[in-house]
Amino acid sequence: NAGVTQTPKFQVLKTGQSMTLQCAQDMNHNSMYWYRQDPGMGLRLIYYSASEGTTDKGEVPNGYNVSRLNKREFSLRLESAAPSQTSVYFCASSEAEYRGIGAGAFFGQGTRLTVV
Amino acid sequence: AQSVTQLDSHVSVSEGTPVLLRCNYSSSYSPSLFWYVQHPNKGLQLLLKYTSAATLVKGINGFEAEFKKSETSFHLTKPSAHMSDAAEYFCVVSDGGTSGTYKYIFGTGTRLKVLA
Repeated sequence: NAGVTQTPKFQVLKTGQSMTLQCAQDMNHNSMYWYRQDPGMGLRLIYYSASEGTTDKGEVPNGYNVSRLNKREFSLRLESAAPSQTSVYFCASSEAEYRGIGAGAFFGQGTRLTVV
Repeated sequence: AQSVTQLDSHVSVSEGTPVLLRCNYSSSYSPSLFWYVQHPNKGLQLLLKYTSAATLVKGINGFEAEFKKSETSFHLTKPSAHMSDAAEYFCVVSDGGTSGTYKYIFGTGTRLKVLA
């Protein structure tokens, strides 16, 4: 009963390097999300996927790309890392919601990324 | 557009005294509201949620929140603080979208400190 699993947990990149953050959920949820968390700014939505095969930009999508590989997996890619992308990244999933009724999102443990 | 404001970035209470964490929201839709907790170096955990049923919502670990539409507030309370409550708390609003899916909008967080 793993819930939402993110890999890796920690990563250090040099400016300009690329990497992909992986996320998988085993709750059969339709919707998946990527957030970044920075001090004093709460969580900000990067991209989300309402269902398999669809992705949409969130609040801060610049410098990122995503892939909804299948219903379980939603990856986040940094093509050319920049120091401004130093952050903690969280993946989350939730059931699709209708008329305001739904469960809260379930979060992974986070990936702490440092770009030097 | 929906938004959420957490009125205090830091709150300190003594162990055994009441906790009040304040949250105001703005929404053009019938909102779903949530409180999440994040302990140091951990992922986020759902504390409680409001989804247009009872206005007083009870959550885990003795926390509760009251939805007040006239005040557009969803404050989190606990009668008696415990040392283990020290964490960061996020108020979250979510509107049901016309496509049946939705995004979560996070407040900037309130860090709760519990003094012995």
